[in-house]
Amino acid sequence: AQKITQTQPGMFVQEKEAVTLDCTYDTSDQSYGLFWYKQPSSGEMIFLIYQGSYDEQNATEGRYSLNFQKARKSANLVISASQLGDSAMYFCAMTPYSSASKIIFGSGTRLSIRP
Amino acid sequence: GAVVSQHPSWVICKSGTSVKIECRSLDFQATTMFWYRQFPKQSLMLMATSNEGSKATYEQGVEKDKFLINHASLTLSTLTVTSAHPEDSSFYICSARASGTGGSQETQYFGPGTRLLVL
Repeated sequence: AQKITQTQPGMFVQEKEAVTLDCTYDTSDQSYGLFWYKQPSSGEMIFLIYQGSYDEQNATEGRYSLNFQKARKSANLVISASQLGDSAMYFCAMTPYSSASKIIFGSGTRLSIRP
Repeated sequence: GAVVSQHPSWVICKSGTSVKIECRSLDFQATTMFWYRQFPKQSLMLMATSNEGSKATYEQGVEKDKFLINHASLTLSTLTVTSAHPEDSSFYICSARASGTGGSQETQYFGPGTRLLVL
């Protein structure tokens, strides 16, 4: 079964601190992609970062990095130096490459940054 | 780059009317577009996959005669909610994927969404 699990429904973090959002996945595919999206209250889904299953290095995009541990099937998102504008819903997602490009989403984590 | 627009952003309509939502990829060609539905405080639910020039593939439980999808060009897909009822009220969001397969080309870029309220 293909599944994404986000165990943190909500998190509160102090501004300027780093935060880790947990994500584990389950797939029988050998080739897959992992993604993180941010959804602010406006509703748009903003693409943050991508990690391929064969990528040996963890992906980084500015303040975002993906802590990819393939053996543990985890793909945690790390946000360094959090900002008030980081308050949003965050979704972890996966595309098994056998799935005709369909994306499977986790249930999301609501991140709130305290000033 | 990778901008997807969606129109309209808000729709309020009477029960029984049809509503058309447009999804456009503005700076890339999208061979595949996806339509999702999202209820409050829930994750996205895939409704259908739309491929340019062919019929859409609907997910189990999604009525294809109620949610008509047309992908007429590489930059435009439309979702028409026919004979809308209050239970169709939801947030509808589209995404587009550029041509090519595998790797980061599998990244989907999302439109801003359309909030539909059926009275």
